[in-house]
Amino acid sequence: AQRVTQPEKLLSVFKGAPVELKCNYSYSGSPELFWYVQYSRQRLQLLLRHISRESIKGFTADLNKGETSFHLKKPFAQEEDSAMYYCALTIYNQGGKLIFGQGTELSVKP
Amino acid sequence: KAGVTQTPRYLIKTRGQQVTLSCSPISGHRSVSWYQQTPGQGLQFLFEYFSETQRNKGNFPGRFSGRQFSNSRSEMNVSTLELGDSALYLCASADRGDYGYTFGSGTRLTVV
Repeated sequence: AQRVTQPEKLLSVFKGAPVELKCNYSYSGSPELFWYVQYSRQRLQLLLRHISRESIKGFTADLNKGETSFHLKKPFAQEEDSAMYYCALTIYNQGGKLIFGQGTELSVKP
Repeated sequence: KAGVTQTPRYLIKTRGQQVTLSCSPISGHRSVSWYQQTPGQGLQFLFEYFSETQRNKGNFPGRFSGRQFSNSRSEMNVSTLELGDSALYLCASADRGDYGYTFGSGTRLTVV
């Protein structure tokens, strides 16, 4: 069965420090991977999708099929980055079912 | 462009009752998915509809059901409510799943 693991429940860094939120997945085929973010009192929103290879709000994520990872990185954290981050996987031919990790709460201290 | 709209925002029901939640997707989106979010289990997939057909279903009991109408609006029904059904129920829509889903604000269901 497909599975997404985010090993850190909470990640606390200081403003200006680099950030790496870890995500590992288990799936033998070619997954579609995403990062979603939920700011306080806001709805879950899409941050990144691996097929786009884009950088949003300074965040990037690279799919490493060898290590089955999709870590989210930002070189310099900002206080406004504090939020809950979810890694998610979908398999296109399985009807758009998103499998989420448990989430990592990022806290950026001033 | 209006986002994904879920109604109602909050619901309080008694154990044993049934409830229907509604979701209006973004205009043009044909795929609608439902998720249950709880502090203990996180975000869990319930089911997904595409053009009025259920394409995939998660591991939830048969008390959880859904449907999609011709205008892509979707409803989710939970019968014989249990205390453990208390959760935030999220709806998400997409044109194509691999481009990512847009989520609604959710319906907070409390079963007492």
